[in-house]
Amino acid sequence: SQKIEQNSEALNIQEGKTATLTCNYTNYSPAYLQWYRQDPGRGPVFLLLIRENEKEKRKERLKVTFDTTLKQSLFHITASQPADSATYLCALGGDSNYQLIWGAGTKLIIKP
Amino acid sequence: KAGVTQTPRYLIKTRGQQVTLSCSPISGHRSVSWYQQTPGQGLQFLFEYFSETQRNKGNFPGRFSGRQFSNSRSEMNVSTLELGDSALYLCASSLTGTGEETQYFGPGTRLLVL
Repeated sequence: SQKIEQNSEALNIQEGKTATLTCNYTNYSPAYLQWYRQDPGRGPVFLLLIRENEKEKRKERLKVTFDTTLKQSLFHITASQPADSATYLCALGGDSNYQLIWGAGTKLIIKP
Repeated sequence: KAGVTQTPRYLIKTRGQQVTLSCSPISGHRSVSWYQQTPGQGLQFLFEYFSETQRNKGNFPGRFSGRQFSNSRSEMNVSTLELGDSALYLCASSLTGTGEETQYFGPGTRLLVL
């Protein structure tokens, strides 16, 4: 069955450093991948989408890469700030019924 | 534009009871999806409605049901509640629910079953 893995343990990063989150998948060939941010008590908020034919996507301090050979996406936050602390979710899509398959998320903690 | 709203925000029920959750999508959005989120689990897809029709369904028992009204508002119902149904229930709306569309989430309804 399709499976998505994100770092289950919280990721602690010092403020100003680059945070890198991983999303690995198996038994699936997604046409695109999305990253969302979720704060406590709130629903996820869309950040970035990357398609299978794109290697990299950037938005301000955010960068996403997509390696379909490794079946992996990396999500980078440069010059991290305490306000970036949240849970980050990846979601894969592109099959015939348009449903996204979600990872469990990685909790990111940026320490001042 | 107003965001996705969900009511109620919090619910406490006992085993065996039933519950109805409500979701109002962003104006103009016709697709509404429902998800269950528990600690350590990804968002588990429940079902998706488009133009009052259930278009997709996840692997949940028949105790979980939903519907969508002509104004795109949606409700989900859980009958005969079990302890394991305790979770955050999220709804998300999008224009048509197809392709690469961004999903806009509501704040969720936190359900506690005692």
